[in-house]
Amino acid sequence: IQLTQSPSFLSASVGDRVTITCRATQGISRYLAWFQQKPGKAPKLLIYGASILQSGVPSRFSGVGFGTDFTLTISSLQPEDFATYYCQQVNSYPFTFGQGTRLEIK
Amino acid sequence: EVQLVESGGGLVQPGGSLRLSCAASGFAFSTYEMNWVRQAPGKGLEWIAYIGLSSTTVYYADSVEGRFTISRDNAENSLYLQMNSLRGEDTALYYCARVVRSSWYSFDYWGQGALVTVSS
Repeated sequence: IQLTQSPSFLSASVGDRVTITCRATQGISRYLAWFQQKPGKAPKLLIYGASILQSGVPSRFSGVGFGTDFTLTISSLQPEDFATYYCQQVNSYPFTFGQGTRLEIK
Repeated sequence: EVQLVESGGGLVQPGGSLRLSCAASGFAFSTYEMNWVRQAPGKGLEWIAYIGLSSTTVYYADSVEGRFTISRDNAENSLYLQMNSLRGEDTALYYCARVVRSSWYSFDYWGQGALVTVSS
């Protein structure tokens, strides 16, 4: 199962609402997770089960989707949100990640 | 506090071998499935291996199948990755990650990574 994220690069300002999409090549139910990764750090789980917010993750992050189409939304960008975001499918092996979306400050 | 600490990385020649370890603490290691994920310099994340609770179930990415072996020692709270026939494209930061099956197979905790460099 391949995952395609769009866009690959996103430039936005603090306070903006941004949306990242992830499309799977076949249905994966809700077995989709989103991660945030900052330079030199391990990935951090944001959302699992397509829409369930991981404990401790701010509520400005949200996810929706089922089957093949998923989105991650950040409702109001904060300075600490500028990072790279990855989707991951865990519906079947081999587990796969999207290619990443790099979110930078405009 | 949940902690995963990788070790064993380093510089190895093409065709060589290396064994990575992941020491787990702060949780009941024997009750969690585990994975290895790698990231080549400047590139994205690549899942490479999974192991079940009792080591009888393992899965690998095609890119490492037949060369890498994942294993675990529940008595030692440790996860391992034996890497043989290493190639330049195996150069990466290798992370171990815990899976929560009951939470949609989420990878909720990750180690800090162990760097493997394959070069002559």
